[in-house]
Amino acid sequence: AQRVTQPEKLLSVFKGAPVELKCNYSYSGSPELFWYVQYSRQRLQLLLRHISRESIKGFTADLNKGETSFHLKKPFAQEEDSAMYYCALNSGGYQKVTFGTGTKLQVIP
Amino acid sequence: GAGVSQSPSNKVTEKGKDVELRCDPISGHTALYWYRQSLGQGLEFLIYFQGNSAPDKSGLPSDRFSAERTGGSVSTLTIQRTQQEDSAVYLCASSTHVAGNTIYFGEGSWLTVV
Repeated sequence: AQRVTQPEKLLSVFKGAPVELKCNYSYSGSPELFWYVQYSRQRLQLLLRHISRESIKGFTADLNKGETSFHLKKPFAQEEDSAMYYCALNSGGYQKVTFGTGTKLQVIP
Repeated sequence: GAGVSQSPSNKVTEKGKDVELRCDPISGHTALYWYRQSLGQGLEFLIYFQGNSAPDKSGLPSDRFSAERTGGSVSTLTIQRTQQEDSAVYLCASSTHVAGNTIYFGEGSWLTVV
């Protein structure tokens, strides 16, 4: 069975400090991994996906198959980064996507 | 439509009453999800529809909850004999079945049981 673990419910950092939101997964195959974000009073939306190897709003995430991790990182946090972040795994085909329980990022001015 | 549409956006109901929440997914999306998000909490998976396959109901919290998807498009989540702990935002999402594709979420239906 596939599982996504986000160990931190809440992460508070000061503006300008580095951010790392942790995500670990369990899946025996080759997963597709994503980060979704929900800003206050907005709908949940895609932030980035590992297959695109992109940087969005300064955030990056590297898939580490050895550690089964897909941590989300940003070198300098901004106040507008405050939001709820969800890691998600898609095993492909017709299987449902599995979401982690989410981490609330709070950037302190 | 341009995105996933949910109705009603807000619903206040009395304890013990039944409620129906509706979801219009993006046209052509074969996968449809229902999630629940309680205040300050994360996503709780409820049910997953994929094409004509039997739905994955493993997340439904009790037999008071049910959902159907008619014609492979619109979905209705029904909560019978509502309880106060059912108060939450109910999110619907849809996607294609292709791995790597984005899931698109609706704005949610905020349910308050008084």
